[in-house]
Amino acid sequence: QPVLTQPPSASGTPGQRVTISCSGSNSNIGSNIVNWYQQLPGTAPKVLIYSNDQRPSGVPNRFSGSSSGTSASLAISGLQSDDEADYYCAAWDDSLNGYVFGTGTKVTVL
Amino acid sequence: EVQLVQSGGGLVQPGRSLRISCAASGFTFSDYEMNWVRQAPGKGLEWVSYISSKSTTRYYADSVKGRFTISRDNADSSLYLQMNSLRVEDTGIYYCAREVYDSSGSHFAHWGQGSLVTVSS
Repeated sequence: QPVLTQPPSASGTPGQRVTISCSGSNSNIGSNIVNWYQQLPGTAPKVLIYSNDQRPSGVPNRFSGSSSGTSASLAISGLQSDDEADYYCAAWDDSLNGYVFGTGTKVTVL
Repeated sequence: EVQLVQSGGGLVQPGRSLRISCAASGFTFSDYEMNWVRQAPGKGLEWVSYISSKSTTRYYADSVKGRFTISRDNADSSLYLQMNSLRVEDTGIYYCAREVYDSSGSHFAHWGQGSLVTVSS
């Protein structure tokens, strides 16, 4: 069962800013870095943000991440239609000795 | 170019076994930790297992511990997941993922295309 909690959905009109939260605990987000993955429909996930706030090459700077305490967040500014996807946070959990993913957030562009 | 090409999925009856594979290319496979992540139909991502670069350390999710075994062949640049005593709830797409480390931690930088495993009678 996922141990990182995300809102099931988020939406906005083109150009708007959307923020997705990820809530964990001391054993995961509170102790380790957070990564964010984007999964477009019918495709494998891809890393969007790593080490809390780093963007891999090729990821637009419209995407940004932050982490504080036992929570993290992903922000998408200048929302575009091809940002419609599922977004997952993830972190290592020291208590479980394994990775944990968030429950996932479906972003819809209205 | 990093490539992870998966094979071996299919339909299997509950209680039976199945092995899926992940063939790596475009990087020095023996230098990297690898993982399996799965996704049940219409559900979110679930981490399944981890193996260190030299196979000295392996971790499993509680949901598969004792039934699944992760392994690798560095000479062949291949990753495997042996799944025994399969259950209906093991149905889903299984992804292999290459783990990359930096000064802060690690992330799954590259993913395979996925292997569909269906457990049904």
